[in-house]
Amino acid sequence: AQSVTQLDSQVPVFEEAPVELRCNYSSSVSVYLFWYVQYPNQGLQLLLKYLSGSTLVKGINGFEAEFNKSQTSFHLRKPSVHISDTAEYFCAVSALIQGAQKLVFGQGTRLTINP
Amino acid sequence: DSGVTQTPKHLITATGQRVTLRCSPRSGDLSVYWYQQSLDQGLQFLIQYYNGEERAKGNILERFSAQQFPDLHSELNLSSLELGDSALYFCASGRGAPGTPSETQYFGPGTRLLVL
Repeated sequence: AQSVTQLDSQVPVFEEAPVELRCNYSSSVSVYLFWYVQYPNQGLQLLLKYLSGSTLVKGINGFEAEFNKSQTSFHLRKPSVHISDTAEYFCAVSALIQGAQKLVFGQGTRLTINP
Repeated sequence: DSGVTQTPKHLITATGQRVTLRCSPRSGDLSVYWYQQSLDQGLQFLIQYYNGEERAKGNILERFSAQQFPDLHSELNLSSLELGDSALYFCASGRGAPGTPSETQYFGPGTRLLVL
């Protein structure tokens, strides 16, 4: 079975500081990994995804993530955050279950940017 | 704007009642997925439809049902509502055929359901 653990439920950082949001996954089959962002009162928006190839994946809004198979991790990073990055971030693992895609989400990490 | 629309945005109802949530996928997308987001359970996959047919089921209660119509819009029916059904319900759509685990799902803005 697939599962995702987001190690921090809340991460407060100051504006222009770097940030890392941690994600570990468990899967018995080939994995496809996603990071989604949910701004207040909105739906989820795709930040980036890892399917194959280069382990460093670049996404929108200056975010990137690194796939580490040996550590089963897919941490999200940004070198300098902005107030507008305040949101909830979800890591998800996708797998084929009974012929259909199933996305399993972590519990989310609330990123708060302080001025 | 993801291109996925959901109505209504908010819904307040009483226990024991039945409600219908509606979702229109992005133009060209054949798959529709339904999710429930609650404080205690997080984001849970409920059910997927592809081109009018049910393709996968997740943690969907028997009191809940869904369907996808020929014009590809989908409806999620929730009946015999309980207080614990209060949650944000998301619809997502995707272009890939079933069996595409790499597919990106595009989420709508959600319907916030409050059961009193």
